[in-house]
Amino acid sequence: EAQVTQNPRYLITVTGKKLTVTCSQNMNHEYMSWYRQDPGLGLRQIYYSMNVEVTDKGDVPEGYKVSRKEKRNFPLILESPSPNQTSLYFCASSSRASGYNEQFFGPGTRLTVL
Amino acid sequence: AQSVSQHNHHVILSEAASLELGCNYSYGGTVNLFWYVQYPGQHLQLLLKYFSGDPLVKGIKGFEAEFIKSKFSFNLRKPSVQWSDTAEYFCAVNNYGQNFVFGPGTRLSVLP
Repeated sequence: EAQVTQNPRYLITVTGKKLTVTCSQNMNHEYMSWYRQDPGLGLRQIYYSMNVEVTDKGDVPEGYKVSRKEKRNFPLILESPSPNQTSLYFCASSSRASGYNEQFFGPGTRLTVL
Repeated sequence: AQSVSQHNHHVILSEAASLELGCNYSYGGTVNLFWYVQYPGQHLQLLLKYFSGDPLVKGIKGFEAEFIKSKFSFNLRKPSVQWSDTAEYFCAVNNYGQNFVFGPGTRLSVLP
């Protein structure tokens, strides 16, 4: 089954404790992206990647890092989480064949930073 | 920078009522337009998309949207809603680049 998976689905942590949210897709998609969803603000793009070893900032990259060492994986790293990073995070992927336009979303990761 | 606005924060309808959700975007060039739906507790799913051609596009579950270039709008419509359409709806824009901009979302509640 074609899908985007994220782990963990739920995470409660404390300020300053480094964490990683994993994202993996099995569709051989070139493009992957991370979003955060906050009430009243919709989804805002954090980082995206056009292919292995190629990453770019989205609209709200501060406080986040990403890496793309393999085509299927695109982890989101919070080196020193803060309470304002409490949010619902979605990973998405799409293919060059679709013009990168049809995105497939993962199930989301709900992060709470105390 | 692009921005996307959605007219309504929360819409409440009775079953069988007609639906229209407004979406306006700020970018003046060629754009791709999308509507996504997020059912309670689930991830986003694509409802429909517009790239070019006929400005009236049909999507899944009886939804359709009309692109009006002169108004920078891409409103979502459904003639008769069902209780199962209760969800949050997001309009999104992409200008052939890799940066997607989403609207703030409109929550639809359909009363049985």
